[in-house]
Amino acid sequence: AQSVTQLDSQVPVFEEAPVELRCNYSSSVSVYLFWYVQYPNQGLQLLLKYLSGSTLVKGINGFEAEFNKSQTSFHLRKPSVHISDTAEYFCAVTPARTGFQKLVFGTGTRLLVSP
Amino acid sequence: NAGVMQNPRHLVRRRGQEARLRCSPMKGHSHVYWYRQLPEEGLKFMVYLQKENIIDESGMPKERFSAEFPKEGPSILRIQQVVRGDSAAYFCASSPRDTGLEQYFGPGTRLTVT
Repeated sequence: AQSVTQLDSQVPVFEEAPVELRCNYSSSVSVYLFWYVQYPNQGLQLLLKYLSGSTLVKGINGFEAEFNKSQTSFHLRKPSVHISDTAEYFCAVTPARTGFQKLVFGTGTRLLVSP
Repeated sequence: NAGVMQNPRHLVRRRGQEARLRCSPMKGHSHVYWYRQLPEEGLKFMVYLQKENIIDESGMPKERFSAEFPKEGPSILRIQQVVRGDSAAYFCASSPRDTGLEQYFGPGTRLTVT
């Protein structure tokens, strides 16, 4: 079974500052990794995903994430945040196997960007 | 191309009533997933359906919950005899393929049980 840990429940940051949201996972098999964003009262939107290849993955809205297999991490970063980035961010993992596999989500990190 | 539609967006039910949540997948998507998000928690997988088939329901509570995705019409998540602990946001996602790697989420239905 897989599990995801997002240690920071809330991350306050000032506008234009860099930010890193941490995600660690546990799995006995290879995995695919995802970051989703949830704006207030909306559904989840895929920011980026890692399936294979380069460990540095670029996503939408200027976000990127780096897959580190030895540290079982997939931290999300943005060099300069905007007020509009205020949202809940979820890391998710699924086994890297063919056919349907369930997405397992972390508990989320609330990013609060202030002026 | 409209996104995943869910209705109602908000639903209030008294204890013991039934709740019916609807999900219309994106056009061309024949795979639907239901998730539940309890307050202060991440999303938990409930069930995966294809047209007229339940593929994986390992996340569904054994009693009172059921789901269907008929040949015509939306997918329905049904909760019978609701209890306060059922209060949550229920999200539906759809995908064009069976791997689940490309899921598009709806805005969710927020169920409140009084």
